[in-house]
Amino acid sequence: SSELTQDPTVSVALGQTVRITCQGDSLRNYYASWYQQKPRQAPILVICDKNNRPSGIPDRFSGSSSGNTASLTITGAQAEDEAEFYCYSRDSSGDHWVFGGGTKLTVL
Amino acid sequence: QVQLVESGGGVVQPGGSLRLSCAASGFIFSNYGMHWVRQAPGKGLEWVAFIEHDGSSKYNVDSVKGRFTISRDNSKNTVNMQMNSLRVEDTAVYYCARRRCSSGCAPGDWLDPWGQGTLVTVSS
Repeated sequence: SSELTQDPTVSVALGQTVRITCQGDSLRNYYASWYQQKPRQAPILVICDKNNRPSGIPDRFSGSSSGNTASLTITGAQAEDEAEFYCYSRDSSGDHWVFGGGTKLTVL
Repeated sequence: QVQLVESGGGVVQPGGSLRLSCAASGFIFSNYGMHWVRQAPGKGLEWVAFIEHDGSSKYNVDSVKGRFTISRDNSKNTVNMQMNSLRVEDTAVYYCARRRCSSGCAPGDWLDPWGQGTLVTVSS
């Protein structure tokens, strides 16, 4: 079982704001990063180092963290944001890594 | 540009072996740790293995310990994974990804970029 827990599905109306969360004890010590994966494509990084966006990622994507929970927020969701989102961090041992189970985002 | 290209996937019988390779270009390969991540059909991402930039440290997920070995050749800009005693449950797309860090890799690191993946199918 994954040490990082995500809600399996989340939906948002077009143009509205959605938050995707990731819970795990290791997040008290390590930052999470977030990845977007569309069908039949490799994942791409959308948030790193808790709240930094790589170049090319729209500024509607942001990250935050509190206690054992990391969050990815999309402010003004677009149709092209529909995808699977994964959080990623180290596990509690510090020398293994783990992904959350993934959240499928539907934009209505 | 920064690029990772995996190769070596294919169909193999249970108990068989495969060697995956990942060719890196567009960056100083010897400065970066590298990971392998897999994704079974219709399932989520699973971290598999990591090797430090100089090969000094290696880590595996428990389910592949003793069967998969990660290695690298910094003179050829490649990271490899030797997979032995393959099982049906190892069937997946295997991605290599570069490790990026800030602040000496504590408290955070991330994966960027990823390769396009190579499919491994273990079936009789």
